[in-house]
Amino acid sequence: EVQLLESGGGLVQPGGSLRLSCAVSGIIFKTYAMSWVRQAPGKGLEWVSAITGSGTSTFYADSVKGRFTISRDNSNKTLYLQMNSLRVEDTAVYYCATDTRPGDYWGQGTPVTVSS
Amino acid sequence: AIQMTQSPSSLSASVGDRVTITCRASQGISNDLAWYQQKPGKAPKLLIYAASKLQSAVPSRFSGSGSGTEFTLTISSLQPEDFATFYCLQDYNYPYTFGQGTKLEIK
Repeated sequence: EVQLLESGGGLVQPGGSLRLSCAVSGIIFKTYAMSWVRQAPGKGLEWVSAITGSGTSTFYADSVKGRFTISRDNSNKTLYLQMNSLRVEDTAVYYCATDTRPGDYWGQGTPVTVSS
Repeated sequence: AIQMTQSPSSLSASVGDRVTITCRASQGISNDLAWYQQKPGKAPKLLIYAASKLQSAVPSRFSGSGSGTEFTLTISSLQPEDFATFYCLQDYNYPYTFGQGTKLEIK
């Protein structure tokens, strides 16, 4: 069974930092490109970032470029999202997902709240 | 970044109805378009990929069409479990972009 389990979400003040993790099992992790997608309360889906299977290439939405960093540890089958200089508008549920179609896999999401 | 314009933003329909949702891309994206269904509090579920290919285990009442800049998702006969929010996603190039979503409600 494929499982993606996000962690690391929580409450942080504007300007602060947070690192999200996504532990993956049930797939050959290193062969999968991975993505982060977020959803602000009551809003639509927003693609945030992606990373190739080897980790050599990364991609970002304009809204997070320069503030967020995606990375992965293929030995430990874990995806990360380092979020710096957080803004109120970054408040959302953050999902990790395999960047594969057909047959993508998603986590259950971890909530991030940026508020003073 | 490629912009995806999805319409309508909301739709009211009855069980058994045929419904169509449209996505337009700001530039040509070949057939690199996926459709997702999302229910409240749940992760999105892939329905259609490559514009018209049905994801495994998705009912055949769902279909997709289009290429280039205009795409449609059709549900041929709405079932009670279909009421949800639907999103298109262009995966032609990074940064990927979602449409704004279509909330499908029961009439």
